Amino acid sequence: EDKVVQSPLSLVVHEGDTVTLNCSYEVTNFRSLLWYKQEKKAPTFLFMLTSSGIEKKSGRLSSILDKKELFSILNITATQTGDSAVYLCAVEHDYKLSFGAGTTVTVRA
Amino acid sequence: EAQVTQNPRYLITVTGKKLTVTCSQNMNHEYMSWYRQDPGLGLRQIYYSMNVEVTDKGDVPEGYKVSRKEKRNFPLILESPSPNQTSLYFCASSKEGAYEQYFGPGTRLTVT
Repeated sequence: EDKVVQSPLSLVVHEGDTVTLNCSYEVTNFRSLLWYKQEKKAPTFLFMLTSSGIEKKSGRLSSILDKKELFSILNITATQTGDSAVYLCAVEHDYKLSFGAGTTVTVRA
Repeated sequence: EAQVTQNPRYLITVTGKKLTVTCSQNMNHEYMSWYRQDPGLGLRQIYYSMNVEVTDKGDVPEGYKVSRKEKRNFPLILESPSPNQTSLYFCASSKEGAYEQYFGPGTRLTVT
């Protein structure tokens, strides 16, 4: 059975902290891993990862994929209250998309 | 403006009354998909379509139907809704494959 597991389920940090979110997966015919941000509305795309070891960066967010160990991490540095959201990991396989349950990040001022 | 639209945004209905949720995209995307989101379960894919007249089941297709007669539209049909289909539904589209999907605003469905 295809599985995408995110950890932790939730965390609370203070502004300026660094956050690391984890996503592990077990799927057949892996094509890509994606990260989305959801703030009480539709998810918005953050990153797509297809190759191991190549870090993708966008401002204070970065992500990397390990296809051997079947996991990815999403880092957020110098967190701000606007980073408060649910972060979703999804894995594309056989043209389907399987999501993890998400990690709820709360950033306190 | 590039967007995915869904209608209705909110719907309360009764068990067994057929309903359709429409989804339309203006980006000429080949790939379209429907998801439901439930607390603690995340997003689960219901059906997807790789192009016109090509549809396939996702992880939770039971109780749902779809059609893709035109590239821009991908309606979700519940022939006989049941309370366990109460959920938040998202339609999404992308150029190809399932990556970098653009999501619609969501449809909150309640079946009593």
